[in-house]
Amino acid sequence: EAQVTQNPRYLITVTGKKLTVTCSQNMNHEYMSWYRQDPGLGLRQIYYSMNVEVTDKGDVPEGYKVSRKEKRNFPLILESPSPNQTSLYFCASSPQSYSNQPQHFGDGTRLSIL
Amino acid sequence: GNSVTQMEGPVTLSEEAFLTINCTYTATGYPSLFWYVQYPGEGLQLLLKATKADDKGSNKGFEATYRKETTSFHLEKGSVQVSDSAVYFCALNIPGFQKLVFGTGTRLLVSP
Repeated sequence: EAQVTQNPRYLITVTGKKLTVTCSQNMNHEYMSWYRQDPGLGLRQIYYSMNVEVTDKGDVPEGYKVSRKEKRNFPLILESPSPNQTSLYFCASSPQSYSNQPQHFGDGTRLSIL
Repeated sequence: GNSVTQMEGPVTLSEEAFLTINCTYTATGYPSLFWYVQYPGEGLQLLLKATKADDKGSNKGFEATYRKETTSFHLEKGSVQVSDSAVYFCALNIPGFQKLVFGTGTRLLVSP
């Protein structure tokens, strides 16, 4: 089954404790992206990757890091999480980033930073 | 800049009622337009899309027409069901821009 898998689905942690949210897709997609969803703000892009070893900032990259060492994986790293990073996070992928290619989303990771 | 504006929710309807969720956009270039749906506890799923002016996207009884003259992409359904209760996101993607631009989402609640 074609899917984007995120882990963990839920995490409660404390300020400053490094964490990684994993994302994996099994569709051989080139393009992957991370979004955060906050009430009243919709989804905002954090980082994206056009292909292996190619990543770039989205609209809200501060406090986050990513890497793309393999095509299927695109982990999101919070080196020193803070409460303002409490949010619902989505990973997405698409064959390419061209306009008529819809993105496939994971089921989300709800992070609470205390 | 590029942006999407959706009507605020929640939209509360009775089963079999007619649904309209308004979406307008501002974009440089010629965007493709999408509606995504988010069911409780799940990620976003593509509902329908349109890639050029006057295209009509349709799926599961939902429709939306790409109106360039009014920069709109309103979502409609003739008869909603309880199972349509979800959050609906309008989004655009412009060639050369590496992201989807989302509206804030509209929650739909359908009661029996």
